[in-house]
Amino acid sequence: DTGVSQDPRHKITKRGQNVTFRCDPISEHNRLYWYRQTLGQGPEFLTYFQNEAQLEKSRLLSDRFSAERPKGSFSTLEIQRTEQGDSAMYLCASSPRLAGLYNEQFFGPGTRLTVL
Amino acid sequence: GQQVMQIPQYQHVQEGEDFTTYCNSSTTLSNIQWYKQRPGGHPVFLIQLVKSGEVKKQKRLTFQFGEAKKNSSLHITATQTTDVGTYFCAGMGGGATNKLIFGTGTLLAVQP
Repeated sequence: DTGVSQDPRHKITKRGQNVTFRCDPISEHNRLYWYRQTLGQGPEFLTYFQNEAQLEKSRLLSDRFSAERPKGSFSTLEIQRTEQGDSAMYLCASSPRLAGLYNEQFFGPGTRLTVL
Repeated sequence: GQQVMQIPQYQHVQEGEDFTTYCNSSTTLSNIQWYKQRPGGHPVFLIQLVKSGEVKKQKRLTFQFGEAKKNSSLHITATQTTDVGTYFCAGMGGGATNKLIFGTGTLLAVQP
C-alpha cells in the first residue's frame, strides 16, 4: 500500500498523559499536513510542513502540541498533558509540490484519540 | 479569521433524486477543493476549482466556482446509494499559505 499511513489507529489515554502519533506520507510528497476532526465537523488545520520545515501553525494549536518532521519524511505529533477536549480524530495528509496551483491532499486513515 | 460555511448540514433523498450542497467563504479564495468522506472513512479528494466562474463535471457530479471566488456548489444528478457520505468544500486563501479551511460539510443520506 503506497498511501498515507498513520500509527496508532486508536489511542486511549488518561488525562494528563502525553501521547505521540506518527504519520508516514506518500513517498516523494514533500508537503505534510496535520488536521484535527471532531464528530460532525470538518477537518481543522493544525500545522503544515514543507520537507523538514514547519511553515505554518494554527493559532488554535496550544503550546501543549508539537509536531516534527526531522528528515522530511515521516512526521510526529505530540500532545503533552492531554485534556478531555483533545479527544478527536487526528488526520495526516500529504501532497506533492507540483507546478501551478494543483495541490490535492491525500489523507491517511487517522488516529482516533480518546482522553478519559 | 477565514470561515467556510456549507448548507444544508444534512440532506436525505430518495435514490434517483438530485442533490446540491452550497459552500460560502467569508474571504476570497485562490482555489477551492471538494472532498468526500464516507462514514468511518477519511476525506478523499474529488476536484479542485481555480478560475472565477469555473464549472467542472465528473460523470453525475457538477462543480461550480462563483464569479467572486467566494462561493461554490456541488450538484449530483440522479443520486445512487454509493453517493452516501459527507461532502466538504475546502478553501485555500491567497498568498503563500497552503492551509485548507474546510467547510462544515453536508451529510448526504440516500434511501434506496
